[in-house]
Amino acid sequence: AQSVTQPDIHITVSEGASLELRCNYSYGATPYLFWYVQSPGQGLQLLLKYFSGDTLVQGIKGFEAEFKRSQSSFNLRKPSVHWSDAAEYFCAVDLWAGGYNKLIFGAGTRLAVHP
Amino acid sequence: NAGVTQTPKFRVLKTGQSMTLLCAQDMNHEYMYWYRQDPGMGLRLIHYSVGEGTTAKGEVPDGYNVSRLKKQNFLLGLESAAPSQTSVYFCASREGSLADYNEQFFGPGTRLTVL
Repeated sequence: AQSVTQPDIHITVSEGASLELRCNYSYGATPYLFWYVQSPGQGLQLLLKYFSGDTLVQGIKGFEAEFKRSQSSFNLRKPSVHWSDAAEYFCAVDLWAGGYNKLIFGAGTRLAVHP
Repeated sequence: NAGVTQTPKFRVLKTGQSMTLLCAQDMNHEYMYWYRQDPGMGLRLIHYSVGEGTTAKGEVPDGYNVSRLKKQNFLLGLESAAPSQTSVYFCASREGSLADYNEQFFGPGTRLTVL
């Protein structure tokens, strides 16, 4: 069955430090991949997406992600974290479910940023 | 352009009561979705609609009904609320083209508590 795994439930980093959030997926074909961010009490905002082509994609707020087919991974990175990046991050895979596009979400990684 | 809006933002129900959550979008999107978000589980699809007058079941449809009488609105109903339906509910919409993938836009969520 298709699934998305985010191995880290909570991550704490210091402001200015680099960040990498892990995402692994299980899907037979090349998936459409997404990272969303959710600030407390807010809805989900799309950070970036991968459909095809260059495996390193740039997103908003200085985030980037790299698609590695051999590892079935789509890890999110940021070179220098800001306090405002504290939020919950969701990786998602979109697949065609025989009638509709279905987004499968990982369980999320909650990021805390120390000053 | 308000995007996707949800009404109400918060609600507390007693077991057995009924209610309707309203989702509205002003982007003329064909597809609309209802998700629920529970801790440690990411978002799970309840029901979806690929156009006015059409609805279909997602992953966790039991205990919910939906209607899409107008293109811009997607209603989620709970006929007899149960404590297991305590959750945060998100609505999303996207353009309906199947040729090119379009991202889903999410509403701010409705926090529902069933006592």
